[in-house]
Amino acid sequence: DAGITQSPRHKVTETGTPVTLRCHQTENHRYMYWYRQDPGHGLRLIHYSYGVKDTDKGEVSDGYSVSRSKTEDFLLTLESATSSQTSVYFCAISATAASVTNEQFFGPGTRLTVL
Amino acid sequence: QKEVEQDPGPLSVPEGAIVSLNCTYSNSAFQYFMWYRQYSRKGPELLMYTYSSGNKEDGRFTAQVDKSSKYISLFIRDSQPSDSATYLCATNSGGYQKVTFGTGTKLQVIP
Repeated sequence: DAGITQSPRHKVTETGTPVTLRCHQTENHRYMYWYRQDPGHGLRLIHYSYGVKDTDKGEVSDGYSVSRSKTEDFLLTLESATSSQTSVYFCAISATAASVTNEQFFGPGTRLTVL
Repeated sequence: QKEVEQDPGPLSVPEGAIVSLNCTYSNSAFQYFMWYRQYSRKGPELLMYTYSSGNKEDGRFTAQVDKSSKYISLFIRDSQPSDSATYLCATNSGGYQKVTFGTGTKLQVIP
C-alpha cells in the first residue's frame, strides 16, 4: 500500500457535532484529495489540495472544510455533522502534474456514522 | 446525466469465465481512462490506464477504449475468485485535473 493512513478508521457521532478526519501520507506527494463514497453515487470529490495551504472545492464541498499546514497532512472537518454526511470517506494522493494520468493512491477509508 | 455511467451489477460469473465490464462517458475532453479495483472495505487501487483510443493488455486484463462511441471496457480472462471486487472506471483530461469516477460494478467470481 502507498504510505497513506487515515484516522479514525471508524467514528460514530451525533448530529450537530464537529468532526475532523485526518489523512497522513509519507510519499511526499503534492496533491491530496478527500472523497466520499456512497451507494449509487460512487466516489465524489469533496475538496482537494495542490500544495501546503493551497486548497480548492470539489463537487460536494458544502458542509465541509479542509486544511493543509504540512505536506504530509490533510484534514477534513465537518463543521456541524448531519445524517446526510454518513458515508465512507477516502483520502487520496497523487504525484505532480507530470503524472498525466493523475494516478491516485487511496487510503483505507474512514467509516463515519452520524446519528 | 452523469459524466461517467457504469452498470452497478452485481455480476456473478463462474471461475474461468471471461468477464466484460463497461462504462460510457459523455465528455469528449476526456483523454485518460483508468480502471480501479476496490476490495470490500478497502480503498480503490489503480489496475490499468489507457490513453485515447485502443487496447492495453496486462496479464489477464485488457482495457479497451472506443472514443468514437465514448465506450470503455475492461476484460478479465480466466477469472479467479480473487478477482471478486468492485471495479470502478475513471477518466480525466490529463494532468492534475479532476478525475471522474463511475459508480462501480460489483463482480463475484464463484469457485
